[in-house]
Amino acid sequence: GALVYQYPRRTICKSGTSMRMECQAVGFQATSVAWYRQSPQKTFELIALSTVNSAIKYEQNFTQEKFPISHPNLSFSSMTVLNAYLEDRGLYLCGARDRTGNTGQLYFGEGSKLTVL
Amino acid sequence: QQQVRQSPQSLTVWEGETAILNCSYEDSTFDYFPWYHQFPGESPALLIAIRPVSNKKEDGRFTIFFNKREKKFSLHIADSQPGDSATYFCAASGTGYQNFYFGKGTSLTVIP
Repeated sequence: GALVYQYPRRTICKSGTSMRMECQAVGFQATSVAWYRQSPQKTFELIALSTVNSAIKYEQNFTQEKFPISHPNLSFSSMTVLNAYLEDRGLYLCGARDRTGNTGQLYFGEGSKLTVL
Repeated sequence: QQQVRQSPQSLTVWEGETAILNCSYEDSTFDYFPWYHQFPGESPALLIAIRPVSNKKEDGRFTIFFNKREKKFSLHIADSQPGDSATYFCAASGTGYQNFYFGKGTSLTVIP
C-alpha cells in the first residue's frame, strides 16, 4: 500500500536556527507534494505545492527564502524552516499525491512537530 | 475566500448514534472530496473519498452523501463508537496537480 514517511517526527530548536524535514513516498510515485502547517487549533495552512519538473508554488505569507523546498524525484521531498521563531511552531505535514488517474489521492506523512525555544 | 467550509466545529454523540458532519465548497470544478480523521498526536489519515460521478459512497459504517447541485457533501458515521472520537477534516480538490483545500475540522466525541 501507499505510505509516506516523514522525519524527523519532532524537533526542538533555538530561535534563529533552522530545521530540515524530509518526506519519502513508498509504494507510489508522488508527482506532487504539498507542505502544510497545522496550527494548535488544527487549521491547515498550505505552505507550498511542489510538482516534479515544475516551479514550486508558494502560498501567500510563505516564501522560498523562508521555506526552501527540494523535490528532486518522484519519491522524495524536503523542506527547511530557516531562522525559526516562535510563530513557526506547529506540526508540519507533507502530503504526497499519487499519479493514479487524473485525481490522485493525497497521503500524509506522520508529521514533523517543531518547537522553538 | 474560503474554499471549503465545515460544520459543526464540534459534535458530541452517544455511542450507537449516527454522527453527521457537513461540508460545502465553492469551486464547481472540484471533483475529488476526501474525508480524513486525525487522532491526538497523529497525522491525518484518509478515511473515505468520493468523486461526483456518484452521490453516495459507503465503506462500512462510514458514508459520504454528495450533492453536486448544492455543492455540499457530508460524512455519516453510523453506530458511532468511542474509538471514532477524533478530529475529522473534509477536503476538496480538482484534477491534475491542484491544491487540496481543507475544512477547519470537526472535533467528534462519542460518549459510551
